[in-house]
Amino acid sequence: QSVLTQPPSVSGAPGQRVTISCTGTSSNIGAGYDVHWYLQLPGTAPTLLIHGHSNRPSGVPDRFSGSKSGTAASLAITGLQAEDEADYYCQSYDISLGGWVFGGGTKVSVL
Amino acid sequence: EVLLVESGGGLVQPGGSLTLSCAASGFTVSDSYVSWVRQAPGKGLEWVSVVYSSGTTYYADSVKGRITISRETSKNTVYLQMNSLRDEDTALYYCASSSPGLRLGAFDIWGQGTMVSVSS
Repeated sequence: QSVLTQPPSVSGAPGQRVTISCTGTSSNIGAGYDVHWYLQLPGTAPTLLIHGHSNRPSGVPDRFSGSKSGTAASLAITGLQAEDEADYYCQSYDISLGGWVFGGGTKVSVL
Repeated sequence: EVLLVESGGGLVQPGGSLTLSCAASGFTVSDSYVSWVRQAPGKGLEWVSVVYSSGTTYYADSVKGRITISRETSKNTVYLQMNSLRDEDTALYYCASSSPGLRLGAFDIWGQGTMVSVSS
């Protein structure tokens, strides 16, 4: 059971908008710690998509956006493309555990 | 080019030991922080340990007391000494770091991973 809760899967048609939720607690997201998002293609290392809730590193398309409210965060993908099919993970810091924690991951499927 | 290359993985019996290496190029490990993150087969990501530029280290509860992270500045390399290995330590171990300007804990530099299999 992951400290951060993500839906196991989300799907959408090409061009649609999908969102992935990441629910935490007052020990992590709710305590104000940053949320980061990663994309992982099969057989490859994770790639940073969003850092600090909503900041995109250079090179990440603006189709990806992040937000945070209370004890939860979300990643939105607009204009869904076939290449977006991957696993997505959220990450934050947990003060009670004294380290970083990841969500269980969400598999995005493009219909 | 900024690069991390892990090595040292392999098959080990329960209770055994293994030392993983993470060689960095393009940046200095002692000027940044380097973490180990693992991924069990078919499972999600799990943060394991970090060493900060100050030398301070932290560990996940699941490995505390069994794993030690260290670095060798002259080789620009970070190590993960793993003892008393258990079946549940079987995973692909990544080392990861962060470029300047990113928020703390955001890892944009990842190695290719090294596989650790614990089995009798």
